[in-house]
Amino acid sequence: DAKTTQPNSMESNEEEPVHLPCNHSTISGTDYIHWYRQLPSQGPEYVIHGLTSNVNNRMASLAIAEDRKSSTLILHRATLRDAAVYYCILRDNNAGNMLTFGGGTRLMVKP
Amino acid sequence: GAGVSQSPSNKVTEKGKDVELRCDPISGHTALYWYRQSLGQGLEFLIYFQGNSAPDKSGLPSDRFSAERTGGSVSTLTIQRTQQEDSAVYLCASSLVQGASQPQHFGDGTRLSIL
Repeated sequence: DAKTTQPNSMESNEEEPVHLPCNHSTISGTDYIHWYRQLPSQGPEYVIHGLTSNVNNRMASLAIAEDRKSSTLILHRATLRDAAVYYCILRDNNAGNMLTFGGGTRLMVKP
Repeated sequence: GAGVSQSPSNKVTEKGKDVELRCDPISGHTALYWYRQSLGQGLEFLIYFQGNSAPDKSGLPSDRFSAERTGGSVSTLTIQRTQQEDSAVYLCASSLVQGASQPQHFGDGTRLSIL
């Protein structure tokens, strides 16, 4: 999978929106952008994914830049339960079936 | 609906013993994956099943590790003659079908500690 770059950590206040950035300048046309998060002592949790267009689901929104070289995960109203490590990864059908997590962004939510 | 279920949630055993870890995927999911995660580390891929067959066993660290899946559903990961370096959280995930557009849904893992 192509490489992604994320900030090591971010802070947010409870009930405020959070924008988590991800750079993927070497993305190919067939790479899907996936976001997962991992809360302490739990398995990873799928958040959202997209290819070219922005995506919304009950958990979050995914905004994808027009050139696809970056994307932003948007949590509309952060709660304490959203404190986790967020992973942005690229997945290509040609690159195997496994997920490979980089360092991710540790999101801290302040009450 | 029911998510991916793993058992046991915790396992402590002595070095040299065999252990068997179980994964119940989401009903109807044809693809199943095993990973492990050491403390503070990223995911390490172990093996992938499509139905009952394992087209990708590339991540199994040694011949002490094996896995099977029967009936296209439950999978077991077996570690023989456990070593201390096998201590980790073993995670199972499933997806409806295999492919880059498919989300993988994880269980909470089995925390394995080898004394």
